[in-house]
Amino acid sequence: GNSVTQMEGPVTLSEEAFLTINCTYTATGYPSLFWYVQYPGEGLQLLLKATKADDKGSNKGFEATYRKETTSFHLEKGSVQVSDSAVYFCALSEAAGNKLTFGGGTRVLVKP
Amino acid sequence: GAVVSQHPSRVICKSGTSVKIECRSLDFQATTMFWYRQFPKQSLMLMATSNEGSKATYEQGVEKDKFLINHASLTLSTLTVTSAHPEDSSFYICSARDARDSARRRGAFFGQGTRLTVV
Repeated sequence: GNSVTQMEGPVTLSEEAFLTINCTYTATGYPSLFWYVQYPGEGLQLLLKATKADDKGSNKGFEATYRKETTSFHLEKGSVQVSDSAVYFCALSEAAGNKLTFGGGTRVLVKP
Repeated sequence: GAVVSQHPSRVICKSGTSVKIECRSLDFQATTMFWYRQFPKQSLMLMATSNEGSKATYEQGVEKDKFLINHASLTLSTLTVTSAHPEDSSFYICSARDARDSARRRGAFFGQGTRLTVV
């Protein structure tokens, strides 16, 4: 079956620091990969996605590249802000539908 | 962008009662909606896939008689937690896929979630 593994948090950073959240996956086919963000008290929002190998998703300064050879989709941001404090979920879906398999989530706390 | 509205956002109910949660796609039609459950500080677990006009498909270990799902129209799916108990307290989130997105390029859109507390 499919699975997603992401680094455990919490990750605590200072403002303007570099953020990396590792994500690796196991899938039987060629999944689409996603990063979702959940701000305190809110539902999930799609942050970025990539649908095939070597695609780079980007949004709000965040980037992630679909690496088929290493089955990874690591999330990066060069300079974080306090407003980036949230829980980040890596996820995948097979082409057959949008049923998502989520990683465990990584809580990020950015301090001023 | 596409909007999925979930209602209520918070609900407190007494043990033994039933609670209905609504998930609506506001500006698109959704033949398929998904219901997830999130425990505190944990990831989302898919409970069931809701298909318009047919029975929902439940994930292994999810009690279909306890979590009733109805997808009566292309814009509305409901999850009813029957005879709720404190252990059902959780954050429930729905997502919906645009029926026009045949290539599934846009992905699923999430509601804002419902925090259920059973006392």
